[in-house]
Amino acid sequence: DAKTTQPNSMESNEEEPVHLPCNHSTISGTDYIHWYRQLPSQGPEYVIHGLTSNVNNRMASLAIAEDRKSSTLILHRATLRDAAVYYCIRKNTGNQFYFGTGTSLTVIP
Amino acid sequence: EPEVTQTPSHQVTQMGQEVILRCVPISNHLYFYWYRQILGQKVEFLVSFYNNEISEKSEIFDDQFSVERPDGSNFTLKIRSTKLEDSAMYFCASSEDTFIDTQYFGPGTRLTVL
Repeated sequence: DAKTTQPNSMESNEEEPVHLPCNHSTISGTDYIHWYRQLPSQGPEYVIHGLTSNVNNRMASLAIAEDRKSSTLILHRATLRDAAVYYCIRKNTGNQFYFGTGTSLTVIP
Repeated sequence: EPEVTQTPSHQVTQMGQEVILRCVPISNHLYFYWYRQILGQKVEFLVSFYNNEISEKSEIFDDQFSVERPDGSNFTLKIRSTKLEDSAMYFCASSEDTFIDTQYFGPGTRLTVL
């Protein structure tokens, strides 16, 4: 989705927190924000999703701006296994997933 | 843990040939999807399928593409006359429901059109 933009790449040290930003300035009021990640040679894997409120699960936290035009995926302590491409996704009411450009996360030991 | 499976893992075909990509969604899921990912690019939605019919499709999903659930377990994507630009990784996904539900992706089929 051309309207969902993410930095191409980011680096993090192992055991440090990582904040992955996403801009979705034209999101509609009923679109959910999903985050998936893709490890090399695998299909995308669910990470977290939300609509308006911040969300936490065992994998990550999702912080959604009050105007919903941006969100941030937070990995609290990056591990080497978290190295992947992270996609911010706009999901419409028809359950179509519009993938963002993706951020390739490198975790440095 | 249940998972989506796809076959074959890699398909090589000549331009103009028909290909069928196969997927077995998670057994209690009701909604099925196909996505493609051209090498080095982001994942793109192709089509969603529910109750034996297409519920949504993207501009990419033109008349060359069709989907089918021929039996209770398989979900297929057919490309009638392949073009070079159809070369991509094709992912199948399934979900229990549409509303906010998580989609589970298969490992993908790499299609190479020569």
